Amino acid sequence: KNEVEQSPQNLTAQEGEFITINCSYSVGISALHWLQQHPGGGIVSLFMLSSGKKKHGRLIATINIQEKHSSLHITASHPRDSAVYICAVSRRGFGNEKLTFGTGTRLTIIP
Amino acid sequence: DGGITQSPKYLFRKEGQNVTLSCEQNLNHDAMYWYRQDPGQGLRLIYYSQIVNDFQKGDIAEGYSVSREKKESFPLTVTSAQKNPTAFYLCASSYGGARQPQHFGDGTRLSIL
Repeated sequence: KNEVEQSPQNLTAQEGEFITINCSYSVGISALHWLQQHPGGGIVSLFMLSSGKKKHGRLIATINIQEKHSSLHITASHPRDSAVYICAVSRRGFGNEKLTFGTGTRLTIIP
Repeated sequence: DGGITQSPKYLFRKEGQNVTLSCEQNLNHDAMYWYRQDPGQGLRLIYYSQIVNDFQKGDIAEGYSVSREKKESFPLTVTSAQKNPTAFYLCASSYGGARQPQHFGDGTRLSIL
């Protein structure tokens, strides 16, 4: 079993829909990261969080440490949100160099 | 603008050849990382460096080598000992520590001829 699991693997939605991507992990962490990988391959860091909730524009990330679960929400989705969204965790005691990555969720927003 | 530059974007290698992937950052970050991405798998850490003239092996270092002679540069050499080098390679950097986000380059896609 992977230490970081994401669901769903693929998600297709209509423009304007509310999107939720889930991430569960099985190890102790010091922080959880949400990343966005564009079709060309470049990766952008969206959020880093260790508790509660963060919001940036139409994106919201939440984490529940007790349940070892995080969600990434996109409100009013747009075709430009189409990308692969990757969850990663900084494992406790290892520092940032020991990021463990999920396999990603491929999101496609249809106009 | 500050950022991470990887070059080239596409690279082809003949069997038995070594190739070097370039990674340069002007973010004044102390730590730099190399990852490998294969279809259907999460990114895996090849090597990382927390400071100039020092680097550590990651989870899949066999067949790879690195150097860190300058703060802004962290080149990765894929040697002929790497039996399955075809993959997408990503370089990243950060200020270091568990609470610092990593900044990624646009990647280099390596293929074997």
